[in-house]
Amino acid sequence: DTGVSQNPRHKITKRGQNVTFRCDPISEHNRLYWYRQTLGQGPEFLTYFQNEAQLEKSRLLSDRFSAERPKGSFSTLEIQRTEQGDSAMYLCASSSGRQGTNEKLFFGSGTQLSVL
Amino acid sequence: RKEVEQDPGPFNVPEGATVAFNCTYSNSASQSFFWYRQDCRKEPKLLMSVYSSGNEDGRFTAQLNRASQYISLLIRDSKLSDSATYLCVVNPRGYNKLIFGAGTRLAVHP
Repeated sequence: DTGVSQNPRHKITKRGQNVTFRCDPISEHNRLYWYRQTLGQGPEFLTYFQNEAQLEKSRLLSDRFSAERPKGSFSTLEIQRTEQGDSAMYLCASSSGRQGTNEKLFFGSGTQLSVL
Repeated sequence: RKEVEQDPGPFNVPEGATVAFNCTYSNSASQSFFWYRQDCRKEPKLLMSVYSSGNEDGRFTAQLNRASQYISLLIRDSKLSDSATYLCVVNPRGYNKLIFGAGTRLAVHP
């Protein structure tokens, strides 16, 4: 399967614990995005990487959230001191399009986080 | 005001019906527009881009009205398999992100 891969598919954790998610984008894609989606809502933008550089972060991304993309390949999203409000589907997407020109995002299946 | 607004639905239509969804966006400088489709418990997938001149892909027609800042999607001859949530998506000029609406649910019944 050469699509976007995310691990784990599901994560259940207790409030206050740290969690880390991984995303492996389509290999030739240099752009990688993290989104968060809750029930009944569309995906909300969290952050964007072009190669290894994190070029944009949403105000939604508090200081408990950190994302990395070492070497411009896979990416990790870490949430520290999880809160119940962090429960959501975390989606990763990648693309190869030029900025702002009919860019097609390919999404992974997501990581469903449940904070108890 | 949300950056991208959609009627959440659900739209319940019989097979063969024609159904239309509208979406409005607040940033007049937005430069790219899309419709994505999301099946229940699945990831969003690109359905089609939306061009100023309007564009068609089989049974699907997308229109953009920049003056009124709205986008539409028309589905003709609805199929059961069209049942899904349709997400209106906008790329604001100068930003490295796509902004998604909350989606419009479509349920096509026999």
